[in-house]
Amino acid sequence: GEDVEQSLFLSVREGDSSVINCTYTDSSSTYLYWYKQEPGAGLQLLTYIFSNMDMKQDQRLTVLLNKKDKHLSLRIADTQTGDSAIYFCAEKRDRGSTLGRLYFGRGTQLTVWP
Amino acid sequence: EAGVVQSPRYKIIEKKQPVAFWCNPISGHNTLYWYLQNLGQGPELLIRYENEEAVDDSQLPKDRFSAERLKGVDSTLKIQPAELGDSAVYLCASSPYSTSGTDTQYFGPGTRLTVL
Repeated sequence: GEDVEQSLFLSVREGDSSVINCTYTDSSSTYLYWYKQEPGAGLQLLTYIFSNMDMKQDQRLTVLLNKKDKHLSLRIADTQTGDSAIYFCAEKRDRGSTLGRLYFGRGTQLTVWP
Repeated sequence: EAGVVQSPRYKIIEKKQPVAFWCNPISGHNTLYWYLQNLGQGPELLIRYENEEAVDDSQLPKDRFSAERLKGVDSTLKIQPAELGDSAVYLCASSPYSTSGTDTQYFGPGTRLTVL
């Protein structure tokens, strides 16, 4: 399909790990991003991964990329109540009329229970 | 360092009225973006500027929407006349020139528009 797909909701208990999954559409996309959006706020860049990488770790965040399946995941270790937000996956398409555009998924609402 | 500034944060208007949104990007960022975010959706690009030139505006509904970025810094997005379906959050983002190609975009808080 043409859309970046994400599951809409995820609930975890505080201290557990969270895994948010995303399927993107274009195998030629060069960069994949994870953004976080808190209520009433804009999008905050969490991390990104270049398409020739399989994994990227940044403190509590681990990004895994399966380019063959066009699957991206974000793992948050030791999830805290402050991590409750909407998480958006985005791909940067770099060909044709969509050159350089970011395409976002619908977002995954992460709820962390104390 | 100040982030992307947008104003107003909220706007309520009646249909058929005009409305304008303002964005001040991060200092030194030459690329500016306007996005539309409908409720429950991810942002969708409306227009992208490189300095003062609109380089990607194919998704901007030009019959009622217009944008400008005079002097390559601040930008204004206008809707005239507004329709009920324009109710959404309008996000502005900016990014620095990047030789690595990441084009990391930094978003403002958005303007929430309600059309009655």
